[in-house]
Amino acid sequence: DVKVTQSSRYLVKRTGEKVFLECVQDMDHENMFWYRQDPGLGLRLIYFSYDVKMKEKGDIPEGYSVSREKKERFSLILESASTNQTSMYLCASGQLYEKLFFGSGTQLSVL
Amino acid sequence: EDQVTQSPEALRLQEGESSSLNCSYTVSGLRGLFWYRQDPGKGPEFLFTLYSAGEEKEKERLKATLTKKESFLHITAPKPEDSATYLCAVRDNNDMRFGAGTRLTVKP
Repeated sequence: DVKVTQSSRYLVKRTGEKVFLECVQDMDHENMFWYRQDPGLGLRLIYFSYDVKMKEKGDIPEGYSVSREKKERFSLILESASTNQTSMYLCASGQLYEKLFFGSGTQLSVL
Repeated sequence: EDQVTQSPEALRLQEGESSSLNCSYTVSGLRGLFWYRQDPGKGPEFLFTLYSAGEEKEKERLKATLTKKESFLHITAPKPEDSATYLCAVRDNNDMRFGAGTRLTVKP
């Protein structure tokens, strides 16, 4: 079975903390994505990567950065967490122009 | 800028009452239109991919169709287990952008 694994299901952090969200895929996919999902807004693309060490900004990159040092791992970094970054974060992977496989999500609360 | 708009936001049906969900899109170069199903607290799960106008795909009670500007997800004789949020997404080059989804509730 294909698998996209996100490191934490639930996470509680304080304002100003640096937060790392990790995502690992076991399908040798070229493309990896980070989305956040908020009620009424759907999935909004934060960053994506189409190859190792490559990254592209999505629609809402402000306050986030990413790292892809290995093909199977894509990390999302919140440099200084703020309350408006409280959200469900979803990682996905897929081949070019094909369907995406999603992780189960990380519900992040910033207090 | 690519845009994906889904309607309605929410839909309540009685079991057996067929209906359709709409996804309209604007994209410079469509590389695929995707439908996903998402259950509460889970990541989206893939349903269908459509690549060209006129294409149709079916799976059990679901049928997806595509025109040049929109896609429909038809649900025939739905059951309570079809209750979920249905997401539409378009792929343009490397990225994939989603609509806000339609939250479907099917009452027994």
